[in-house]
Amino acid sequence: QKEVEQDPGPLSVPEGAIVSLNCTYSNSAFQYFMWYRQYSRKGPELLMYTYSSGNKEDGRFTAQVDKSSKYISLFIRDSQPSDSATYLCAMSAWSNYQLIWGAGTKLIIKP
Amino acid sequence: GAVVSQHPSWVICKSGTSVKIECRSLDFQATTMFWYRQFPKQSLMLMATSNEGSKATYEQGVEKDKFLINHASLTLSTLTVTSAHPEDSSFYICSARMGTASTDTQYFGPGTRLTVL
Repeated sequence: QKEVEQDPGPLSVPEGAIVSLNCTYSNSAFQYFMWYRQYSRKGPELLMYTYSSGNKEDGRFTAQVDKSSKYISLFIRDSQPSDSATYLCAMSAWSNYQLIWGAGTKLIIKP
Repeated sequence: GAVVSQHPSWVICKSGTSVKIECRSLDFQATTMFWYRQFPKQSLMLMATSNEGSKATYEQGVEKDKFLINHASLTLSTLTVTSAHPEDSSFYICSARMGTASTDTQYFGPGTRLTVL
């Protein structure tokens, strides 16, 4: 079993829809949770960073962490074609700042 | 946000030659930088962790004599692919760790696409 599970998709939704992306994990030591967006042939771009449990909102993006269920989510409101990319979740433990990555979900927003 | 640059963005070389890739943190100091490799449609694979002023720590299965890493300053790390072969063709991405009292995360460079003929 992988430490971090993420559905690779692709996930295709119409423009304007609310998108929900998720990752589950098995290591209860993870404390830092991140979502990155990666366009084709580009390096990942940090979208959201959350420490421990809770919600965080930034514009159209909301990140949720539920440590009791070992489940994290990224919501995108009013999705745009420019949001089409691969979204990777990543997490790390306090004592080891190496990131453990999900497989990435390819998101396609149809105009 | 924090900016990390990578140079070159793409390189084509002949088999047997060596290629150096630079990774720079432009607006912050990074005591730790990471080198990743990414194959098409796959997630990032950590190759090594580079700490300023000390030897890099390589992940299992990564040849340290083939992938030479030097972290000479708090803003620069280099990856040299020695005696490159076609199977080394890949997308190489570096990241720099920013650790503060309230955050601990990595910022990524734009990547370098290496093609070995």
